[in-house]
Amino acid sequence: DTGVSQDPRHKITKRGQNVTFRCDPISEHNRLYWYRQTLGQGPEFLTYFQNEAQLEKSRLLSDRFSAERPKGSFSTLEIQRTEQGDSAMYLCASGRDRGHEKLFFGSGTQLSVL
Amino acid sequence: AQSVSQHNHHVILSEAASLELGCNYSYGGTVNLFWYVQYPGQHLQLLLKYFSGDPLVKGIKGFEAEFIKSKFSFNLRKPSVQWSDTAEYFCAVTYNTNAGKSTFGDGTTLTVKP
Repeated sequence: DTGVSQDPRHKITKRGQNVTFRCDPISEHNRLYWYRQTLGQGPEFLTYFQNEAQLEKSRLLSDRFSAERPKGSFSTLEIQRTEQGDSAMYLCASGRDRGHEKLFFGSGTQLSVL
Repeated sequence: AQSVSQHNHHVILSEAASLELGCNYSYGGTVNLFWYVQYPGQHLQLLLKYFSGDPLVKGIKGFEAEFIKSKFSFNLRKPSVQWSDTAEYFCAVTYNTNAGKSTFGDGTTLTVKP
């Protein structure tokens, strides 16, 4: 169990640029989640995958956001035309497909949009 | 909308004091309940969880939580805190209708003074 890894740890970009984050889940986990967290708030759900299928997307996820998990392993989250309001910590978590299973979180990618 | 409310944003205690952090969730049918902890500089990790059976659950490091269905509550307790318990604590709920997606509270920052 090597844990959930996210890359990069930090990303600074200018408004209007596109950014892409990567998440590598724990290998035997078939569920992968993306959350966003801002200062003073708890993690907010963005989207999740079961294997390669994207099963749910939050209303928070505008059309500038897209996530993929092409082979049911790693996932990418892309934000197009970034805005200052996108500045946040983007968290990835993985787990098994049972509702009472805990989530294993990565350390997150801190995005700063200037 | 499904929501989780944590009553205390910041709690300051002296070592050996008792701790109780409140968590209430909105009704949504059958629930699974979690407390996660984030130590300074580390990622979110599970403290304890409830999904069925005995409503009093015990977790790591001497923490416990009690599920009171009639009050929609899942309060976290520890009889005697230590300086190393300084961290941010998040309550989370998974509603069985949501296939594993967790809704988080905004967190409580606990500072334990030596």
